[in-house]
Amino acid sequence: DAGITQSPRHKVTETGTPVTLRCHQTENHRYMYWYRQDPGHGLRLIHYSYGVKDTDKGEVSDGYSVSRSKTEDFLLTLESATSSQTSVYFCAIRLGTSGSDTQYFGPGTRLTVL
Amino acid sequence: QQQVKQSPQSLIVQKGGIPIINCAYENTAFDYFPWYQQFPGKGPALLIAIRPDVSEKKEGRFTISFNKSAKQFSLHIMDSQPGDSATYFCAALPLQGAQKLVFGQGTRLTINP
Repeated sequence: DAGITQSPRHKVTETGTPVTLRCHQTENHRYMYWYRQDPGHGLRLIHYSYGVKDTDKGEVSDGYSVSRSKTEDFLLTLESATSSQTSVYFCAIRLGTSGSDTQYFGPGTRLTVL
Repeated sequence: QQQVKQSPQSLIVQKGGIPIINCAYENTAFDYFPWYQQFPGKGPALLIAIRPDVSEKKEGRFTISFNKSAKQFSLHIMDSQPGDSATYFCAALPLQGAQKLVFGQGTRLTINP
């Protein structure tokens, strides 16, 4: 699993509450990514980071923010959760910086917004 | 906007059969095409990948066929086994830049014993 952990693994929350998901890596990789997985859509990129305090938006970034204050941690925050954000969230790291370097995915966080 | 279209959504094959999953893309900037395999409750894992300068790549029982002019590529699983039952995703990305993967919708494959 390339040393990636995600926490929590499961969370149920209510509409309008803030939620923070954590991705932790142990191997000092530069690139980290957040995806969401929904039936019929595959995985879609939310945000990514290319270094400490360096982040950029992905395809579906509205309603999400990220922070990376340390190399090993990449946080995804839903400022005010909505039911449309019910999904499975995956963190990924990229091994190396060559274009074809593999992305390895964490085990996922299942988020339910009621 | 789905830049990579994958079909079928689901597929059931008998053990030993050859399931085929197809993907098509539009963005000519894509130049690396990985396939991911995902088991229930797990994250996707890289299975095999191809660049468009070759028309076919094999790794064990898994083969990617690539048609650059048609902008299509497919995954074939030879001698399929029940343990191959999983969801498969094709993906694409340009090699330049931050490696932002674009995924197909996924195919749920079931191999019956």
